[in-house]
Amino acid sequence: AQSVTQLDSHVSVSEGTPVLLRCNYSSSYSPSLFWYVQHPNKGLQLLLKYTSAATLVKGINGFEAEFKKSETSFHLTKPSAHMSDAAEYFCVVTYSGGNTGKLIFGQGTTLQVKP
Amino acid sequence: NAGVTQTPKFRILKIGQSMTLQCTQDMNHNYMYWYRQDPGMGLKLIYYSVGAGITDKGEVPNGYNVSRSTTEDFPLRLELAAPSQTSVYFCASSSRTVLEEKLFFGSGTQLSVL
Repeated sequence: AQSVTQLDSHVSVSEGTPVLLRCNYSSSYSPSLFWYVQHPNKGLQLLLKYTSAATLVKGINGFEAEFKKSETSFHLTKPSAHMSDAAEYFCVVTYSGGNTGKLIFGQGTTLQVKP
Repeated sequence: NAGVTQTPKFRILKIGQSMTLQCTQDMNHNYMYWYRQDPGMGLKLIYYSVGAGITDKGEVPNGYNVSRSTTEDFPLRLELAAPSQTSVYFCASSSRTVLEEKLFFGSGTQLSVL
């Protein structure tokens, strides 16, 4: 069975410091992985996705993630946090080899950015 | 360009009442989805559709029904509301599979069943 685990429910950083949001997955197949962001009272927005191309994926707003098969991880990073990065972040893995719509969402990580 | 529009934004129901959550998209997307979001649980897929006239169950379909009579609209129906259906509901659409195209999400419907 495919699943995804976000290791931290809440992460707090100071503005200008690095961000690390951790995600581990389990999958019987080569997974496709995504990170989505949800700002308060808004819908979800795709940050980046990995679909078996380059293992280091660059996304919007300076975020990037590295697919590490040996560690079954897909951690999200950003060198310098900005106040506008405060939001809920979801790591997502496809279900059944990428069949349409069947995404498995992690529990979410709330990112707090302190001034 | 409106994207994905959900109505209502908020609703309170009594146990046993029924209601329909509306979702419409103006991007001519074939694929549409309904998710529910519970605190600390991420999003769970309720139903999805790959085109007009075609729907299929997701992970948590019990207590819900959908229809897809047009490309634009994908309403979600709750027939007998239960407290367990208190959640935030998101509609989403995409032009192709999730591997090929990103999902466009609506802004959500916050539903409370009391």
